[in-house]
Amino acid sequence: SAVISQKPSRDICQRGTSLTIQCQVDSQVTMMFWYRQQPGQSLTLIATANQGSEATYESGFVIDKFPISRPNLTFSTLTVSNLSPEDSSIYLCSVVGFGVNTGELFFGEGSRLTVL
Amino acid sequence: AQRVTQPEKLLSVFKGAPVELKCNYSYSGSPELFWYVQYSRQRLQLLLRHISRESIKGFTADLNKGETSFHLKKPFAQEEDSAMYYCALSSSGNTGKLIFGQGTTLQVKP
Repeated sequence: SAVISQKPSRDICQRGTSLTIQCQVDSQVTMMFWYRQQPGQSLTLIATANQGSEATYESGFVIDKFPISRPNLTFSTLTVSNLSPEDSSIYLCSVVGFGVNTGELFFGEGSRLTVL
Repeated sequence: AQRVTQPEKLLSVFKGAPVELKCNYSYSGSPELFWYVQYSRQRLQLLLRHISRESIKGFTADLNKGETSFHLKKPFAQEEDSAMYYCALSSSGNTGKLIFGQGTTLQVKP
């Protein structure tokens, strides 16, 4: 299994500012996935972060709003820029397991963002 | 469009009663279906996937392509089964890219 640590676990930010969320994995992985869970909603994939190349964004998400870094095979950051109250959500980092856990998606504990 | 629908936001049963959490999907190809579970104060984790055909914690789920359903069942609910359950679909062959349903909160009363 993969152990994923996310920081911060929660934060309260003012509108117009940005927040950067860090995700650290205990093993090397090719792809890392960033999901968003808005209040009362389901999880939605924001983007796939590949080491050594630009992230691939899903429909409705753009790099200017959600820039992603992937400097090595164990770490990624997601920035939520120019915050508005609609960005208040839980942001989750995830990776796919390997070996006996192939195909299983492992999640971080999530970063709860509240925008005032 | 690909979609996963969980019609019940909340399902409340008594301990020992049978449980069925409904999941319907919309996808024209051959999807891979999953159930993920989030217990209180824990992170989201895989419960089971259709290709493994396993029973995990007494739960089973059968993929019915004719009805495009993947309902989760357990014959006798336990209090520790109380959690949020998400049905999810992978259409791309990349199981990191999932489409999730809205989730169903299962409440098992003593």
